[in-house]
Amino acid sequence: GAGVSQSPRYKVAKRGQDVALRCDPISGHVSLFWYQQALGQGPEFLTYFQNEAQLDKSGLPSDRFFAERPEGSVSTLKIQRTQQEDSAVYLCASGMGRLNTEAFFGQGTRLTVV
Amino acid sequence: EDQVTQSPEALRLQEGESSSLNCSYTVSGLRGLFWYRQDPGKGPEFLFTLYSAGEEKEKERLKATLTKKESFLHITAPKPEDSATYLCAVRRGGADGLTFGKGTHLIIQP
Repeated sequence: GAGVSQSPRYKVAKRGQDVALRCDPISGHVSLFWYQQALGQGPEFLTYFQNEAQLDKSGLPSDRFFAERPEGSVSTLKIQRTQQEDSAVYLCASGMGRLNTEAFFGQGTRLTVV
Repeated sequence: EDQVTQSPEALRLQEGESSSLNCSYTVSGLRGLFWYRQDPGKGPEFLFTLYSAGEEKEKERLKATLTKKESFLHITAPKPEDSATYLCAVRRGGADGLTFGKGTHLIIQP
């Protein structure tokens, strides 16, 4: 596709439910980032992949958060046993190289935990 | 710890009224200062990257400048379509992700 695609656009989960958020990066982009954006705040870094390797997961808030990119393309962010504080927009971005500065963001997935 | 503070939090201007948005930062070993535009319900859209004090970049009605402690995004003769939230972010040496500020919500009234 022409841009970064994320699905679903909206997800409502009951507290304690597991969720999986998908990111389809721009074809050929080796870098992939996940960010969390709370209402009225700037995005916060969660994790970074270079191809299939997860090189930085320092921003994942707890061990309930898990991300993977097994074939170096599509990535999935999984949140286990969701809690209300997990409610946020989850943004995915991709870029051409590790030090690439012009990362392209998707529209995000808005997760609401009730 | 890296810190990015943007001011003002919100700004309302008349069409054609020029102004500046401020981004103050504290980072160890700056490896880039970034400006993004974010429209409601959308992901951030890249505008500029600045690397060293004194650097300036322009795009249409926008001009970004950088000093050792802050960056400014100047908006000249803005139009209603410039209304958006403008985000500033920094990357420090050795880090992969960006540290973002909370953004400035800009409204341009016709």
